[in-house]
Amino acid sequence: GDSVTQMEGPVTLSEEACLTINCTYTATGYPSLFWYVQYPGEGLQLLLKATKADDKGSNKGFEATYRKETTSFHLEKGSVQVSDSAVYFCALQGGSEKLVFGKGTKLTVNP
Amino acid sequence: EPEVTQTPSHQVTQMGQEVILRCVPISNHLYFYWYRQILGQKVEFLVSFYNNEISEKSEIFDDQFSVERPDGSNFTLKIRSTKLEDSAMYFCASGVSGRATDTQYFGPGTRLTVL
Repeated sequence: GDSVTQMEGPVTLSEEACLTINCTYTATGYPSLFWYVQYPGEGLQLLLKATKADDKGSNKGFEATYRKETTSFHLEKGSVQVSDSAVYFCALQGGSEKLVFGKGTKLTVNP
Repeated sequence: EPEVTQTPSHQVTQMGQEVILRCVPISNHLYFYWYRQILGQKVEFLVSFYNNEISEKSEIFDDQFSVERPDGSNFTLKIRSTKLEDSAMYFCASGVSGRATDTQYFGPGTRLTVL
């Protein structure tokens, strides 16, 4: 079945450092891909998404490109802030209604 | 901005008891979902609900679980006889459609602790 693999965390960075969180997927067909973020004490919020190959999703300085050839959707940000500290979840939705999530990667950004 | 709300934020119950978790989806959404996350594990799909019936469910969603939309605004998840392994964070979500190109909007979750 469909699955998502994320890099293991936690990830700790200093403010203004570059961030990459790797995400690869296995799916039949052409799924939509998502990054959700969970700030401390809050629910899951959509950060960005891409619905077809080569699409780039972007939001709040974060970007991810849907790479069909490598079945990847890595999350990147050029300069992280303390306020980016959260848990980041990669997810896909294929031929059904359900989202399939990765395990989540906890990011801590220190001042 | 409209948001999904869930109550309670934390529920503690004894094994074998029934619990009902409540959600208020975004008002113009037609598709409703429950997911759960056991501590340290992945967020897992439980069930989707559309037009007053279950449209998809996972193998986790056995006879112990049921969902209902008792009125025009609430969406509930009932666990009939809780087990220790039901302890998890339960997330409700809603969406305009069930299509993969549309977004599912999540609530803040209910942490269920079964003792």
